[in-house]
Amino acid sequence: QVQLVQSGAEVKKPGASVKVSCKASGYSFIEYAISWVRQAPGQGLEWMGWISAYNGITNYAQDLKGRLTMTIDTSTSTAYMDLRSLRSDDSAMYYCTKVDSRDLDYWGPGTLVTVSS
Amino acid sequence: IVMTQTPLSSPVTLGQPASISCRSSQSLEHSDGSTYLSWLQQRPGQPPRLLIYKISNRFSGVPDRFSGSGAGTDFTLKISRVEAEDVGVYFCMQATQSVTFGQGTKLEIK
Repeated sequence: QVQLVQSGAEVKKPGASVKVSCKASGYSFIEYAISWVRQAPGQGLEWMGWISAYNGITNYAQDLKGRLTMTIDTSTSTAYMDLRSLRSDDSAMYYCTKVDSRDLDYWGPGTLVTVSS
Repeated sequence: IVMTQTPLSSPVTLGQPASISCRSSQSLEHSDGSTYLSWLQQRPGQPPRLLIYKISNRFSGVPDRFSGSGAGTDFTLKISRVEAEDVGVYFCMQATQSVTFGQGTKLEIK
């Protein structure tokens, strides 16, 4: 069965960076993209971007370009999301999702990132 | 593309039907012929879960009381008979041009 296991909660100071991992299993990793979606407390969903697990090509949301980097390690079937210059409004639950033909079909449990001085 | 859901809150009696509408600011029909409109369910304290993809296709394991319909810019999610486990927030999502989500509709039991 498809599983996405994410790294643990993080607390960061404003201006710092955070790197969240997402380890996939139960499917052929390189055949599908991974997308990242975040959700501020009590708020809706915000798409951050996606990365092809086959060739590493990325597509980032315009608002996050310049601060966001997504990478893939095919040897461990793990995707990474690196967000820099953190602000308080980056505090959110961060989800990785498997992408099948643009559908976000499986979701990880989420990683809570708190940005606070 | 802006996605607008109505209502934002829907109190429903157990066993009764429920309906959520989603309107997009432009047509979601992609040049490849597909319409990338999906519905997600988020139960309290859980990550979102895919229910319906490409307007009307139920994802694996989704009960057949859930159905999706629509075309162009207007889409609907229907639950034929609401059960207690259906409580949560429902989001529509488009992936035709980048990805955007509706604001969410909170389904609660009366």
